[in-house]
Amino acid sequence: GAGVSQSPSNKVTEKGKDVELRCDPISGHTALYWYRQSLGQGLEFLIYFQGNSAPDKSGLPSDRFSAERTGGSVSTLTIQRTQQEDSAVYLCASIRGGAPIDEQYFGPGTRLTVT
Amino acid sequence: KQEVTQIPAALSVPEGENLVLNCSFTDSAIYNLQWFRQDPGKGLTSLLLIQSSQREQTSGRLNASLDKSSGRSTLYIAASQPGDSATYLCAVRRIGSQGNLIFGKGTKLSVKP
Repeated sequence: GAGVSQSPSNKVTEKGKDVELRCDPISGHTALYWYRQSLGQGLEFLIYFQGNSAPDKSGLPSDRFSAERTGGSVSTLTIQRTQQEDSAVYLCASIRGGAPIDEQYFGPGTRLTVT
Repeated sequence: KQEVTQIPAALSVPEGENLVLNCSFTDSAIYNLQWFRQDPGKGLTSLLLIQSSQREQTSGRLNASLDKSSGRSTLYIAASQPGDSATYLCAVRRIGSQGNLIFGKGTKLSVKP
């Protein structure tokens, strides 16, 4: 079966522009996470969606970042007024259920470069 | 606050050598620990998942151990090959969280032919 997919794979944008990053989780997976991997910083949690519950936004670095998940499937991460420090690889992961023992499956990521 | 540390940050070995990558975490209240592989410019590939009740998991030439009480895990790679060259990441899923993983910064492995 298909894994987690993300688009675009690479995005170059000018400082100040808005960008949208897309994640398609594995079909049937109810939970979805966004992470950011910055150079030298490691992977950081951004936001979590579980079913129809309100998302956990505790990892979002600023109010320029937002995300939504439509129909419990596809998710879009939006960064407004991009800054150079937003340059990173943005990774999405999905889990079949919400159980703590479930394994997270990661997509290939979107590499964002803000010039 | 949970912190995950991986030592060494980089490792270079000749082909055929057995090696151990180390991961430590500060809070033993975890559901599980997961080892990933990341190739340059690529996403994460899950290698092994160890639940908190388990001591080790094996897959082919890979063996991961977990000592939750001491906050340590090791990834053992037997008979290393140049194709094993990648960055290896360790991550824990903390009890009481929404299930997000907390990652170490990784060990960059280079296996020389």
